[in-house]
Formats: sequence, structure tokens, C-alpha cells
Amino acid sequence: GNSVTQMEGPVTLSEEAFLTINCTYTATGYPSLFWYVQYPGEGLQLLLKATKADDKGSNKGFEATYRKETTSFHLEKGSVQVSDSAVYFCALRNTGNQFYFGTGTSLTVIP
Amino acid sequence: SAVISQKPSRDICQRGTSLTIQCQVDSQVTMMFWYRQQPGQSLTLIATANQGSEATYESGFVIDKFPISRPNLTFSTLTVSNMSPEDSSIYLCSVEVLTGVNEQFFGPGTRLTVL
Repeated sequence: GNSVTQMEGPVTLSEEAFLTINCTYTATGYPSLFWYVQYPGEGLQLLLKATKADDKGSNKGFEATYRKETTSFHLEKGSVQVSDSAVYFCALRNTGNQFYFGTGTSLTVIP
Repeated sequence: SAVISQKPSRDICQRGTSLTIQCQVDSQVTMMFWYRQQPGQSLTLIATANQGSEATYESGFVIDKFPISRPNLTFSTLTVSNMSPEDSSIYLCSVEVLTGVNEQFFGPGTRLTVL
């Protein structure tokens, strides 16, 4: 089957700290992988994506690399800001065009 | 991209009543979806809203409880019928846009509380 597992939160970091949010997946075939972000009071927004193995998605200082050998798509940022406080969702889209989401990881960045 | 609006943004309802949530997109899209996001949980797909035909429901969701309409390519409604406190959740409309890799865009959600 298809599923996404991401690290549980909440995660609290100081400003300028390094961020990693782990995400692993199970899928049949070759899925596309996504990170979505949900800022307080807003809807989900696409943060970055990768469509095939070894692709690196990046946006707003965030990066994630599609690792087929470890079935992972970990989200990283070298220096977080207070404005990065949000809930982050890892997701996959399978070859049947269905989306599967992780449970979300809440990030709070303190000054 | 696509800009999606939902009405209402939030509501508090009594047990046994029904609520209809509207979703409007600023452009014509082929695929529209309805998700539920229960407190502390991930998004769960309720159904795919098909234009001109009955919605396609995921396992665990039925038309009598969640009737869906899609009269055209920019609008859809989801009704939560005969509500109970277990229906308290955020309901999200989503659309798919073909951009090489199909992307999903989400509305701001409707926060429903059932007393």
C-alpha cells in the first residue's frame, strides 16, 4: 500500500537553528513526493516537490532530496526564522494520481 | 496555480443538523477533491467531486452522510449531514492543476465544531 510517516512534533527551535523533519514513505511504483506547509489560520501551500529519485526540491531555503534507497524525503533548512513557524506535511502522489499525507509536524521557532 | 475560497470559514453547529460548505476556484479545473483534517491528524480524502456525475467516495465515506455537488468546473459543495460531535474537523477543498507534475492546491478550510 501507500503511506507516509513523518516525525512527530511538536518541534521547537531557536531562531537560526538547523531544521530536519524526517519523512519516509511506502509506495507501489514510483511516486512523486511533496512537502506542504500550513501557516496559522491558512490553508495548505505547496512548499517543494520532487518527481524522481535523487531529485532535490528547494524553496524558501528549505530542501528535500528524494532518496529511493531509503524511501525518504527529509525536509531541511539551515537557519530557521520565526516566520517558519507552521505545520509541515509530507505527502506522496502515487502512479494512480492519489495523494497520501503524513500526520504533520508542528514547528515553532522562538526568537 | 489556483486560488480557492471556501465558505463558511468556520461554524458551530448543533447535533443532528446539516451544513453545506462551498468551494469556489478562480479558474476551471478538472479535478476537485474534499478532504477532512481531524484534530491532530493528517488529511483524509473524503471524495473526488466529478463534474456532471456522482462523486467518487473513498472507503469509509458515503453519499448519504457527505453529499457532494459539482455543477461546473469552478464550484463544488460538500454537505455534512446529520452531524455528530465526531464530525468536528477542518474540511478542505482541493483542486488539481496540471503543471507537468500534477499539483494539488488547497483552500483555506472550513473549521466545523459540532456540539
